[in-house]
Amino acid sequence: DQQVKQNSPSLSVQEGRISILNCDYTNSMFDYFLWYKKYPAEGPTFLISISSIKDKNEDGRFTVFLNKSAKHLSLHIVPSQPGDSAVYFCAASAFGGSGGSNYKLTFGKGTLLTVNP
Amino acid sequence: DVKVTQSSRYLVKRTGEKVFLECVQDMDHENMFWYRQDPGLGLRLIYFSYDVKMKEKGDIPEGYSVSREKKERFSLILESASTNQTSMYLCASSLTGQANHFGNGTRLTVT
Repeated sequence: DQQVKQNSPSLSVQEGRISILNCDYTNSMFDYFLWYKKYPAEGPTFLISISSIKDKNEDGRFTVFLNKSAKHLSLHIVPSQPGDSAVYFCAASAFGGSGGSNYKLTFGKGTLLTVNP
Repeated sequence: DVKVTQSSRYLVKRTGEKVFLECVQDMDHENMFWYRQDPGLGLRLIYFSYDVKMKEKGDIPEGYSVSREKKERFSLILESASTNQTSMYLCASSLTGQANHFGNGTRLTVT
């Protein structure tokens, strides 16, 4: 039962254009969402997060949008740069929950972004 | 800056061996996690710990155990390694309600 889904295994965009990575979730208890970036042979690096009380969060070139009614979030990267080429993971947590649920993250399978010069 | 250090970048072990993967964090985080990453499967949680000597099973705990005797150290143990445990293992730590910070991973090959 996959609670966090990234349906696009890969995405290719031109340098300078917008990259949009999508993520869907099924667990209505999730209240905190994060995006991680991962280069080969390195651990994932935290990029940006959003709480369920917001619908948008921006940090420089990165913006995350949350549509709770659709259980959908997206990461926008503008403008895309070749150094952004990496695997992007969406993750979710029920931090407001109880027991073990408020500690752990559930990850999607990742989307490989390639930004072409 | 948070530092999560995994003791080995690469390990090669034989089937049936007992394997220890060590992880240390330097930010006094109460939570620590072990994940494995496999192509096409993303990151899957094996075990986590929210306090010293406390542990909780994640999504795929079978074949693994963990130990947390000190706050800064979280060990993953493969009691009898099997070839299907060949994977990238990632350790992470966090404060409750905040993002996980990851180490650089241990690539384990079981032959």
